[in-house]
Amino acid sequence: DGGITQSPKYLFRKEGQNVTLSCEQNLNHDAMYWYRQDPGQGLRLIYYSQIVNDFQKGDIAEGYSVSREKKESFPLTVTSAQKNPTAFYLCASSSPSVTGRYEQYFGPGTRLTVT
Amino acid sequence: DAKTTQPTSMDCAEGRAANLPCNHSTISGNEYVYWYRQIHSQGPQYIIHGLKNNETNEMASLIITEDRKSSTLILPHATLRDTAVYYCIVIGGSGGSNYKLTFGKGTLLTVNP
Repeated sequence: DGGITQSPKYLFRKEGQNVTLSCEQNLNHDAMYWYRQDPGQGLRLIYYSQIVNDFQKGDIAEGYSVSREKKESFPLTVTSAQKNPTAFYLCASSSPSVTGRYEQYFGPGTRLTVT
Repeated sequence: DAKTTQPTSMDCAEGRAANLPCNHSTISGNEYVYWYRQIHSQGPQYIIHGLKNNETNEMASLIITEDRKSSTLILPHATLRDTAVYYCIVIGGSGGSNYKLTFGKGTLLTVNP
């Protein structure tokens, strides 16, 4: 089945540690995105990538880093510089040339808790 | 991208139609109206989108007023599994950011048995 996978579903880390969240898609989508969601809030865009080896900062990129070495993968690293890393992280992908331009497919999310 | 206004929460009886409103009075002529929903602790799910005309798919119908300043998402026969936060997003146009979706707080729809 085609889709987006994020692992793990729950992640616990100590403050000061970097942590990498996985996002893989087999939809052959060109574009991928990372969002952050805090309790009771909407989603905020962290980074996005329209093609391999290229990515742009979203609205809240500070303290995060990404890479896009393969079309299928878009890992997100939460660095120790991120002041409030505890949140629900969502990965998404889209293929504007195929589906609706703003139709994004989301993964199940990773809930990160940093103590 | 135009700003949207949605009620914080709504209730609906199971089996009845759920009508979720969205105001977007500053929408420009080439901006789309997109609807997503998010079931608790899951990723958002695309529902439907439209530009000027009313749209219908297997999940819902979208009614856009003639002046395009507001729209209504209709779930014709709501079920308990439709309980979710529904997001109305206006995006596109010449000044819009390519591919970036801006999610507000949305409307929490609770379908009651």
